[in-house]
Amino acid sequence: NAGVMQNPRHLVRRRGQEARLRCSPMKGHSHVYWYRQLPEEGLKFMVYLQKENIIDESGMPKERFSAEFPKEGPSILRIQQVVRGDSAAYFCASSLGGGSGEQFFGPGTRLTVL
Amino acid sequence: GESVGLHLPTLSVQEGDNSIINCAYSNSASDYFIWYKQESGKGPQFIIDIRSNMDKRQGQRVTVLLNKTVKHLSLQIAATQPGDSAVYFCAENIGGSQGNLIFGKGTKLSVKP
Repeated sequence: NAGVMQNPRHLVRRRGQEARLRCSPMKGHSHVYWYRQLPEEGLKFMVYLQKENIIDESGMPKERFSAEFPKEGPSILRIQQVVRGDSAAYFCASSLGGGSGEQFFGPGTRLTVL
Repeated sequence: GESVGLHLPTLSVQEGDNSIINCAYSNSASDYFIWYKQESGKGPQFIIDIRSNMDKRQGQRVTVLLNKTVKHLSLQIAATQPGDSAVYFCAENIGGSQGNLIFGKGTKLSVKP
């Protein structure tokens, strides 16, 4: 059973470009979470999605950031018009059920904005 | 504000010794706590969890202790090995429909051979 998969693992963008980060949850998991991690810091929650629904986006910036988890295919975190401050590691996690329960993390996408 | 924090940012131990990593939390509504291990360049890896109706839980070489009175969480690693070197994060979840985890900043554990 493959774990959580994320791609790309590394992404370089110039200021003003768009970044698309993909996450495929573990088989059978319908709950996906996105977190951002700056160097030497803990992970910060961004958004929690269930298939075709955003459950909680309280940690996601109101502008330039969006997330989706379609019925088919991976979850996508999209960052428009990237700025240098968006440079970070973005981790996706999935869980079998919602609420409190074990979340399994992917290897992350490291975004560098030049 | 409510947050999860760690007392020590770095911890250096000798191989074979026991390690104790501490964590303070401030959200009294939290009912689920997890310890994660993160190696360089990798995602967090689940180590052990505990729910608020328990005080102690043991795994393989690891024990988590929860003291709700002082809102303190600790991770004990027995017979620490070089492979245990990593950054350790505690995380809390207030349960219900809230799925997001609140992470502390992390403690870097270095094991000297």
